[in-house]
Amino acid sequence: DQQVKQNSPSLSVQEGRISILNCDYTNSMFDYFLWYKKYPAEGPTFLISISSIKDKNEDGRFTVFLNKSAKHLSLHIVPSQPGDSAVYFCAASKSSGAGSYQLTFGKGTKLSVIP
Amino acid sequence: KAGVTQTPRYLIKTRGQQVTLSCSPISGHRSVSWYQQTPGQGLQFLFEYFSETQRNKGNFPGRFSGRQFSNSRSEMNVSTLELGDSALYLCASSESRGDGAHNEQFFGPGTRLTVL
Repeated sequence: DQQVKQNSPSLSVQEGRISILNCDYTNSMFDYFLWYKKYPAEGPTFLISISSIKDKNEDGRFTVFLNKSAKHLSLHIVPSQPGDSAVYFCAASKSSGAGSYQLTFGKGTKLSVIP
Repeated sequence: KAGVTQTPRYLIKTRGQQVTLSCSPISGHRSVSWYQQTPGQGLQFLFEYFSETQRNKGNFPGRFSGRQFSNSRSEMNVSTLELGDSALYLCASSESRGDGAHNEQFFGPGTRLTVL
C-alpha cells in the first residue's frame, strides 16, 4: 500500500519555465511534508518542507503548496534551471511516538530541464 | 559543519555473508535513521536510533539490525545476505530537539551494496 504517490515518473521542462511536481498521499495522519532532490551517486538533499497547518511555503525559486482536503501537494520551481535536473522525492512524516518522525517517500519524479 | 558520512561507499558480498555499514551524523545531531533504496520499492525506512536506543522500526526482517554509540555514530548490520538485499543504504541524521517539532533529516551519500 503506497501511502505517498508521485504519479509522474518523469517531467521535461524548458529552461526558464515553471516546473510543477506533484505528490498525493493517502494517510491523513501525515502532518509534515518535505521535498528532496537527488543526483546520481549522492544522497537526497533537503529542499523545502511544509507543515500541515500551512498551505504554502516559499524559499527562493521553490514553493510548495499543500491542499489537505485533496491530500495533494506540489512543488513549483520558477524559473527552472539546467542544474535543477535531478530526481525529486516527496516525503511525508508523522509522529511515531517518543519524538520519532518516520519519513515515507514517494518513488520520485525525474526532472529534466532542457537548455 | 561537515555533512553525514557513510562508509564504505561501495561493497560487494556473496549470499549468506553478513555486512556492517557505518554512519557518522552531522555534529550535534542525535537521531540517526537508516533507509533502503531499491528500484522497485523506492526509499523505505529501516529503523531510527536516538540516544543509543532504537526508537522506531520499519517492516524489515530481523536480519537487519543496528546500533548507535554514545557519540551518535551508528552502524547497521545485515546477516545472512540475500540477493534481494542489493540496494543503496542511506543514513540520515536530524537534531531531534525534543520539542515536538518535526526536524528535517539530512542524508549521507549512501553505501551501494551488491550481493552476488
